[in-house]
Amino acid sequence: DAKTTQPTSMDCAEGRAANLPCNHSTISGNEYVYWYRQIHSQGPQYIIHGLKNNETNEMASLIITEDRKSSTLILPHATLRDTAVYYCIVPPNSGGSNYKLTFGKGTLLTVNP
Amino acid sequence: EPEVTQTPSHQVTQMGQEVILRCVPISNHLYFYWYRQILGQKVEFLVSFYNNEISEKSEIFDDQFSVERPDGSNFTLKIRSTKLEDSAMYFCASRRDRSISYEQYFGPGTRLTVT
Repeated sequence: DAKTTQPTSMDCAEGRAANLPCNHSTISGNEYVYWYRQIHSQGPQYIIHGLKNNETNEMASLIITEDRKSSTLILPHATLRDTAVYYCIVPPNSGGSNYKLTFGKGTLLTVNP
Repeated sequence: EPEVTQTPSHQVTQMGQEVILRCVPISNHLYFYWYRQILGQKVEFLVSFYNNEISEKSEIFDDQFSVERPDGSNFTLKIRSTKLEDSAMYFCASRRDRSISYEQYFGPGTRLTVT
């Protein structure tokens, strides 16, 4: 997997946008950026993924820089339930039949009231 | 919305005993995984399963571990002789098909405590 670097922790006020950065300077041209999160004591949850264009779904937006060396996950209106560890993952494109995920330490986002 | 389910939510066992952790993946998914997370550590891949056979396993997945899909709906992880260091959260995950690559859906986990 391409190496990713995320801050260890971040804080955000409830109702405000949470912007979670991820550096992935060694990303290859055809590798996607995936984001998952893990709420305390629960299983990881898929959020979003993208290649080069910005992506948005009902959970979040993903902004990938033009050089693809970094990305930002945006939670537009964070709630207390968004407190979780957020993982940025850049897996190899040649997943074969396995497509296993390799999790790092992620960013602990704490949403404060 | 379909989801992955796991049972039991918590399993306590004595060292040396066999345990079976059960998972029901999402019904139209074809690829199945087990991961584990030791308290305070990263989520680690254990094994992937497709077309009724193991497609990849990690170094953690030694001869004490086995997986099975006995009836087309359940997906089980068996640990033959548990060790203290097997204490962890075990997560099952499933994936639909190759066109949605790394988008996996995880269950809530089974907390295994080996005493």
